[in-house]
Amino acid sequence: KAGVTQTPRYLIKTRGQQVTLSCSPISGHRSVSWYQQTPGQGLQFLFEYFSETQRNKGNFPGRFSGRQFSNSRSEMNVSTLELGDSALYLCASSLLLATQETQYFGPGTRLLVL
Amino acid sequence: KNEVEQSPQNLTAQEGEFITINCSYSVGISALHWLQQHPGGGIVSLFMLSSGKKKHGRLIATINIQEKHSSLHITASHPRDSAVYICAVRGGPSGSARQLTFGSGTQLTVLP
Repeated sequence: KAGVTQTPRYLIKTRGQQVTLSCSPISGHRSVSWYQQTPGQGLQFLFEYFSETQRNKGNFPGRFSGRQFSNSRSEMNVSTLELGDSALYLCASSLLLATQETQYFGPGTRLLVL
Repeated sequence: KNEVEQSPQNLTAQEGEFITINCSYSVGISALHWLQQHPGGGIVSLFMLSSGKKKHGRLIATINIQEKHSSLHITASHPRDSAVYICAVRGGPSGSARQLTFGSGTQLTVLP
């Protein structure tokens, strides 16, 4: 089985722009979670989607949004980019809701905001 | 909010040494995860624990629910074990408690 894939792998944007990141989970997995990793804050939970519904959201401003499609692929969008949004964005998939299940992580998208 | 503390922050060991990384958390949890992150960013899930002990190859993870503490042990360490090891906890099965809260990670370097 192919692993979790994320596109693009690297991205450079300028302040004020918006960005959309994509995540394709492992085939058959229905849960996708998104995380942000920065040197200062470490790993932080962004949101979790299951069956096209957002099931959980972390403590991030409304500029961060996401969605999940019927094939379980997920996108996250960040509008009005700020310098502090520079980070590694990771998605992870699991078969069912990520409660008692192992999550499989993608390679991440490294976003640099100038 | 569950706070997760890891120690040490940095660890350098000689090849073959026994290594222990510790994780403490502040409130009740439904599960604790140990993750490994190599340079470049990819994360691999090593263990998910809710009680007791798990072993996979040279890696052993233990958890003490009463003391709110978990340890990750690496026996016969090897340079390829060099990575950041991250502890993460899930507070409960539903609602905001279900989200993972992460420790700051332990940078392990194993010298040949």
